[in-house]
Amino acid sequence: AQSVTQPDIHITVSEGASLELRCNYSYGATPYLFWYVQSPGQGLQLLLKYFSGDTLVQGIKGFEAEFKRSQSSFNLRKPSVHWSDAAEYFCAVGFLDTGRRALTFGSGTRLQVQP
Amino acid sequence: NAGVTQTPKFQVLKTGQSMTLQCAQDMNHNSMYWYRQDPGMGLRLIYYSASEGTTDKGEVPNGYNVSRLNKREFSLRLESAAPSQTSVYFCASNKPRTGGNTEAFFGQGTRLTVV
Repeated sequence: AQSVTQPDIHITVSEGASLELRCNYSYGATPYLFWYVQSPGQGLQLLLKYFSGDTLVQGIKGFEAEFKRSQSSFNLRKPSVHWSDAAEYFCAVGFLDTGRRALTFGSGTRLQVQP
Repeated sequence: NAGVTQTPKFQVLKTGQSMTLQCAQDMNHNSMYWYRQDPGMGLRLIYYSASEGTTDKGEVPNGYNVSRLNKREFSLRLESAAPSQTSVYFCASNKPRTGGNTEAFFGQGTRLTVV
């Protein structure tokens, strides 16, 4: 079955520390991959996306993500976290099934940033 | 350019009442979606519309109906609200890409409480 897993429900990092949020998917082919961020009470904002090509993609706000086909992963990274990065992060996958064009979302990872 | 607009932003209903959540997009997207967001469960697809005049069920359609009024508007109706429908509802839209789908753009959400 097609699925998206974010193993970490909650992560706390210190301001200035590096960050990696994990995302794994289960699918028989390479899907389209996305990371979204949601600040409290807000909608979802796209951070970055992967369709094909270079497996390291750059996004907004200094985020990047790397697609690893062998691990079925698309982990989000940031070298130095700022207090304003505290939010909930969602990995989303577009499975290449013409009968279903909606994105499938992971359960989210809540990021807390300590001063 | 407003993007995706949802109304209302907040609503409290009594069990058994009905209501319609409105959504409109001005990006000329073909596809529109309704998701619900519950703690620890990410976003789950309720219904989607691949194009004007078509609608299909998602993961959690029970208790909901939708109408794709025209290319811009996609409404979600709760005929007889239940406490289990207390959630945050998001409307989204995207433009299909050959072989899959592009990133989705989200509204700001409707926070619904059923008492």
